[in-house]
Formats: sequence, C-alpha cells, structure tokens
Amino acid sequence: GAVVSQHPSWVICKSGTSVKIECRSLDFQATTMFWYRQFPKQSLMLMATSNEGSKATYEQGVEKDKFLINHASLTLSTLTVTSAHPEDSSFYICSAKTGGYEQYFGPGTRLTVT
Amino acid sequence: EDQVTQSPEALRLQEGESSSLNCSYTVSGLRGLFWYRQDPGKGPEFLFTLYSAGEEKEKERLKATLTKKESFLHITAPKPEDSATYLCAVLPSGGSYIPTFGRGTSLIVHP
Repeated sequence: GAVVSQHPSWVICKSGTSVKIECRSLDFQATTMFWYRQFPKQSLMLMATSNEGSKATYEQGVEKDKFLINHASLTLSTLTVTSAHPEDSSFYICSAKTGGYEQYFGPGTRLTVT
Repeated sequence: EDQVTQSPEALRLQEGESSSLNCSYTVSGLRGLFWYRQDPGKGPEFLFTLYSAGEEKEKERLKATLTKKESFLHITAPKPEDSATYLCAVLPSGGSYIPTFGRGTSLIVHP
C-alpha cells in the first residue's frame, strides 16, 4: 500500500517553456502532498506543501509564480514550472501523507532545461 | 532550530560485514523519526517510523533503534543490493507535518 506515482519520469524542455509534473496517490487519499527538489548528492529540499482544495504553502525562497502547485483532488497534485530556465534543471520529487505521520514518495521527475 | 546529522557520510562494506549508520538529532519534542532508503535516480522508499526512546523495528537485514538523542540503523550481513543512500528525518512536536531531513549516508556493499 501507500503507492505514489509521478509523471513524467523525465522531461527535456527548451528555455522559456512551461512543464507540468503530476503526482498521484494510487491507493490512498492524501490530504497533504509535498514537493521537493534534490540536487546531486544532496538531501531533499522542501519547496512547498499543498493541501487539497487550498493554496499551497511555499518555503522561503521558492518563487510562487514560477512553481505553480495545484492540489485539485485527494489523489492528484501538480507542479508546473513556468518559463523554465537551465537553473531549474533538477530532480523533483513529490510525496504524500496518509493518516499517519509518514510521507510516501513518488519515483521522481528529472527535468532538464536546454 | 531542529537539526539532523547523519554519519558517516559514506560507508563502504564488504558483503557480510555488519555495521551501523547513525542519525543524531536535536528537536524540541519528537513526534517521530523516519528512515528511508533512496536508490540513485529514484524517490526515497519508506523503511521505518520510530516514536519513542527504546523502540526498535526490523525489516530483513535492517534494524532501527532510537534513543533520546540519536537513532541507529543496523545492517546485519549486508548484500550488494543493500547499496543505497539511507536518509533519516525527524518530525518535531507541534502542528506542522514537515520533517527535517538529514543529508544521508551513502552505503556501498562490495561483493
């Protein structure tokens, strides 16, 4: 149980374009989902927390207008990177919280902006 | 400020050579401590949650223990497939559900 999927697993886009990443909880309802960014050989950096039906809460230093998060249902959250630039290239991982304290992570999305 | 420090940063073992990974934490009240395994290019995989000092949990060759200041992840007779980065995270008391993650221990098990 507690399976989280992400789509796509990898994406290459041109500078200036927007990219949407989907995160789904497959076998449970997630009232809270999280979006992380991870640089090579570094730990997870929390970008934002999203609750179903309400606006996401962004961590300090994360641009709200650049990283648009929508938590439209109890099983789906999306992250849209708008006007992507090469410095946005990274590994993006979502996670979802069940009724307990644990977070269950998706497999991640590798974004490369050329 | 909540802090999580994992040591060592990297660990190389021979197959069958048991060892332990350490996670030291400073937090204002602990609701839970989590261990995750992360393979290269993948998201973290949940392993254990520990809630109180003295608690232990096991899964195959892994055993996690908890004291008031640190947690250990013991790996008994490791195999090459145990090679991964192991992440520790702590969730402090309070209303937030956001844990603080350590930087991880990269484990390589040689056959």
